[in-house]
Amino acid sequence: EDQVTQSPEALRLQEGESSSLNCSYTVSGLRGLFWYRQDPGKGPEFLFTLYSAGEEKEKERLKATLTKKESFLHITAPKPEDSATYLCAVQGNYGQNFVFGPGTRLSVLP
Amino acid sequence: DGGITQSPKYLFRKEGQNVTLSCEQNLNHDAMYWYRQDPGQGLRLIYYSQIVNDFQKGDIAEGYSVSREKKESFPLTVTSAQKNPTAFYLCASSTQGPGELFFGEGSRLTVL
Repeated sequence: EDQVTQSPEALRLQEGESSSLNCSYTVSGLRGLFWYRQDPGKGPEFLFTLYSAGEEKEKERLKATLTKKESFLHITAPKPEDSATYLCAVQGNYGQNFVFGPGTRLSVLP
Repeated sequence: DGGITQSPKYLFRKEGQNVTLSCEQNLNHDAMYWYRQDPGQGLRLIYYSQIVNDFQKGDIAEGYSVSREKKESFPLTVTSAQKNPTAFYLCASSTQGPGELFFGEGSRLTVL
């Protein structure tokens, strides 16, 4: 059974304090790993797709990396507007389904 | 602009009533999904459809029903058989094969 866990559950940072969020997964053949940002009361907003170990993607202050067992979302010099819940999901080779982790709730304090 | 539209955004239901949540997409995606989100939990799959007139149960399909009569539309009915329907419901779509999900803005259902 495909599974995704995320840590920490919640993270509070000061503005400018860089950190990383972890997504650990088990899947029977990885089709893709996805990162989303979700603001309260809104639908998740797509950030990155990673397909193979060693791959990296960047967007503004965010950088996602992938190994065979986990992915990291690195946040460099975060700003208060980066506060949100960050969701990780995987899609396995056998089927169209996506499996989501519980998310990391990030708060960036000014 | 292409996207996914969910309605209504907020819905209140009395116990024993069925309610239908609407989901429409103009992204020309073949696959559509319904997820349920509860506080502190990941998104859980209710139903998905990869093609018109075909759909499959997800992990928590009991008490829900769907139809896929058109490529653009995938409505979800929350029936009175759903024991704990108060939740945030998200509709999503994707292309067939590898690729990300695109989400609507969600519908919040509250049972009074």
